[in-house]
Amino acid sequence: DSGVTQTPKHLITATGQRVTLRCSPRSGDLSVYWYQQSLDQGLQFLIQYYNGEERAKGNILERFSAQQFPDLHSELNLSSLELGDSALYFCASSVGRAVSGANVLTFGAGSRLTVL
Amino acid sequence: DAKTTQPNSMESNEEEPVHLPCNHSTISGTDYIHWYRQLPSQGPEYVIHGLTSNVNNRMASLAIAEDRKSSTLILHRATLRDAAVYYCILRDPGTGNQFYFGTGTSLTVIP
Repeated sequence: DSGVTQTPKHLITATGQRVTLRCSPRSGDLSVYWYQQSLDQGLQFLIQYYNGEERAKGNILERFSAQQFPDLHSELNLSSLELGDSALYFCASSVGRAVSGANVLTFGAGSRLTVL
Repeated sequence: DAKTTQPNSMESNEEEPVHLPCNHSTISGTDYIHWYRQLPSQGPEYVIHGLTSNVNNRMASLAIAEDRKSSTLILHRATLRDAAVYYCILRDPGTGNQFYFGTGTSLTVIP
C-alpha cells in the first residue's frame, strides 16, 4: 500500500457519459498529479495541483477537469466520454510543489476506465 | 521535450546483475535523473535518483556518466519480483517541469 488511495478501481461506462475519479494523497503530501496511461501512449501527465491550486497542466483535454479540495483529496472529472478515453488513470502525490530531486512521487494503484 | 532513450526490452537471469541503460543527451546542468518502475497491474514506484555522483539505495544503484549524458540503473541481483517496466525520467520544461516518462524498458527475469 503506497498510501495514495484511488477509487474506483474499475469503471465501465458508455460513450457520452461522465465519470469522476477520486484520489486521496499520502498523509502530509500537498501536491496531487494525474496521469493517463493507455496502451499506445504510455504515461501522459494531465494536471497537477498543489495545496488546492492548479500548478501545471499537461495534455489534458477540455472535456476533462480536476480540482483539489481543502482536505487535499482530488477529483478528476471526465465528460462526454469517447472510446479513446479508455485507459488507466493514475494519481500521484508528493510533499513539495515542484518535481525535483528532493520531491519523489508516490503513485496510487490506478483507476481502470473502460468506455463502451 | 526532455527526452530519454532506453531499450524497449531486456532480459536477465534470476540472481544475476542487471544493467539498464539510459541516454539523456539533452539534460541540463541542474536536472536530476530519476528512475521509476512499474510492476504489472500496479502504479509506478520510485526507485532512485541522482544528479552527478553515483547513488546507492536498498533497491538499486545509479551510475551517472561524467558528462551526464547517460546513466545506468543497476539491480545487483535480479529477482522475479524485479520484472517490470523501468522508466528513466527527466523533467520536461514543456509541461511545467513535470516528469516525461517515455516508454521505458520492459525487464524480463528468467528463472
